[in-house]
Parts: sequence; C-alpha cells; structure tokens
Amino acid sequence: SYEVTQPPSVSVSPGQTATITCSGDTLGDKYVCWYQQMPHQSPVMLIYQDNKRPSGIPARFSGSNSGNTATLTISGTQAVDEADYYCQTWDRGTTSVVFGGGTKLTVL
Amino acid sequence: QVRLVESGGGVVQPGRSLRLSCAASQFTFSNYPIHWVRQSPGQGLEWVAGISYDGTEEYYRDSVTGRFTISRDNSKNTVYLQMNSLRSEDTAIYYCARDRAPMTTTYYFDYWGQGTRVTVSS
Repeated sequence: SYEVTQPPSVSVSPGQTATITCSGDTLGDKYVCWYQQMPHQSPVMLIYQDNKRPSGIPARFSGSNSGNTATLTISGTQAVDEADYYCQTWDRGTTSVVFGGGTKLTVL
Repeated sequence: QVRLVESGGGVVQPGRSLRLSCAASQFTFSNYPIHWVRQSPGQGLEWVAGISYDGTEEYYRDSVTGRFTISRDNSKNTVYLQMNSLRSEDTAIYYCARDRAPMTTTYYFDYWGQGTRVTVSS
C-alpha cells in the first residue's frame, strides 16, 4: 500500500516561516492536499492540487510538490496557526486515499 | 455556507450495527461526491468510504469492505454509512466530507462536518 510520511512535530518562532514536509515514493507525480485541524475541531482544507488555496485561506499558506516531497510553508507564522497539519493524496495505482500521520505545529 | 451535519453515532457492542447520516445543505448536493473520514482517539485521519455524485459508484478502504455500506438519497440531501459487524478498531469520530469538485470524484475534501462519535465496546 502507498504511504506518506510527515514529521510528528515542528516548532517555529512567531513571525518566522514554518515548513512541514510530506514524503512518499514519486509523490510529485500525484496531487497533494493539506488540511489544518485545530484542537477539537474538524479539518479545514488549506491547499489543494499541490499549491492552490481555497477562497478564504490566507496567502501566508503555500504549497509545493516535487520529486518525493510535498511541502507546506507558513510564512509569518502566528500563534493562531498552532494546530495539527495533515497531507493527503490519492494513489491511482492502489485506488487508495492516503493521509500522512499529521504534524503538530508549535509556535513558541 | 456549505453545511454538513452528521448524526447517528453512539456506543455499540462489538459485532453490532450502526447507521450514520450526513445531512447536507447550502449547495447543490446531487452534484458532489461525499466521503466518510474517521479519526480514532488521539490519532490521525483515515478515509473510510466515498460515493459518487449520482450514487452509482461506491469506494471503500480495505478494512471496511464487506462490513460498511455507503449510500445516498439525493431527494433528502443525505448520505448514509451503514456499519455492520463493528469492531473495537472502528471506534472513532466519523466525519462526512464533500469532494472538492462537482460531477467527478477527486478524493480531496473541501468541506467537513463536525463529526459524530462512534464507540465500539462491550
């Protein structure tokens, strides 16, 4: 089965840039989506098709995907950005939806 | 604003059944595939099942194939998840989520409900 891997945690200082990675075999050949989940809340789509932002998502969230790694970048990180972040893709070969294990972002 | 409201969760014994519902509003429901995604306590997200916009195609993860059935009633703007032969590992919050694109299944989810909790325990 296809798998993608995220770091369990990332820390960043307020105002700095946070980078969260998602790794998988030839992940760059697939579309990647990113979700933010605040504590005790439902996930929210941040990025789709690797680098597109749904309406209402701040421009400080951006995404890229190449080779074996997709990246979510949060510029000018704010305390309100503390949350869990999940990458997700769909593997056509196994027709399976795959989520990463999630990354807990701490702003300190 | 797109709205998805899940219901039907509860505590159930192993081997028993439960039916979840997802009531949708504020968008053209019959144009969009809908999925169920679950999250076990303290764990990550796991896709469970999906159904095409017209209900002609159903999709399942391997571990629920043969036990769970997804269906939809476009006249009632509602999707259902019939869960049979429940196991302790099915314990989770179950979210319904809308597929991002109309009239096709992309397997990416742009709106999520608030979730309904299912606990499988004797």
